[in-house]
Amino acid sequence: KAGVTQTPRYLIKTRGQQVTLSCSPISGHRSVSWYQQTPGQGLQFLFEYFSETQRNKGNFPGRFSGRQFSNSRSEMNVSTLELGDSALYLCASSWGTASKAFFGQGTRLTVV
Amino acid sequence: AQTVTQSQPEMSVQEAETVTLSCTYDTSESDYYLFWYKQPPSRQMILVIRQEAYKQQNATENRFSVNFQKAAKSFSLKISDSQLGDAAMYFCAYRSAGGTASKLTFGTGTRLQVTL
Repeated sequence: KAGVTQTPRYLIKTRGQQVTLSCSPISGHRSVSWYQQTPGQGLQFLFEYFSETQRNKGNFPGRFSGRQFSNSRSEMNVSTLELGDSALYLCASSWGTASKAFFGQGTRLTVV
Repeated sequence: AQTVTQSQPEMSVQEAETVTLSCTYDTSESDYYLFWYKQPPSRQMILVIRQEAYKQQNATENRFSVNFQKAAKSFSLKISDSQLGDAAMYFCAYRSAGGTASKLTFGTGTRLQVTL
């Protein structure tokens, strides 16, 4: 069974640009969550999608948004990029609420 | 809001020895899940072990076991017969069992070094 796939693996963007990251969950998994990992703030929850609906959202500005498609693939978008958005963005998928979450390898975003 | 605290930024263990990583958490909920994740240099988070709060028995996965003390809100990870491949960042995480959300709250991590 294929694991969680995140694309791209690395990304360099300029301040003010926008970016879209993609996450393909494990086949059959309906929940996709996104996390931001930085040296200063650690791992922080961004949002969770389940069956195309956002179920939970972390404490991030509205520049951070996401969506989930009918095949459970998810995208997150960050608009008007700031230097502080440089981070490793991790996606996790699970079958349901009580099941184990499996992570992808992450997308390393660098904003210059 | 729940919080997870890992008070050991770094730990070191010799190969084949045993090491224990500490984690405490704060919650007002009675039903929840606790996890240990490993993040090697490849940066992918790998699930090491999971504990359901309603289970009194400590979870074990091969060389990995936990000491879950619900009243003390403590959840430590013991790694036996340490191997070089165990070197990584280890994160303790909490997740509520109620509701429909599956948000994980992470601690700040413990970097484990394994020496020969």
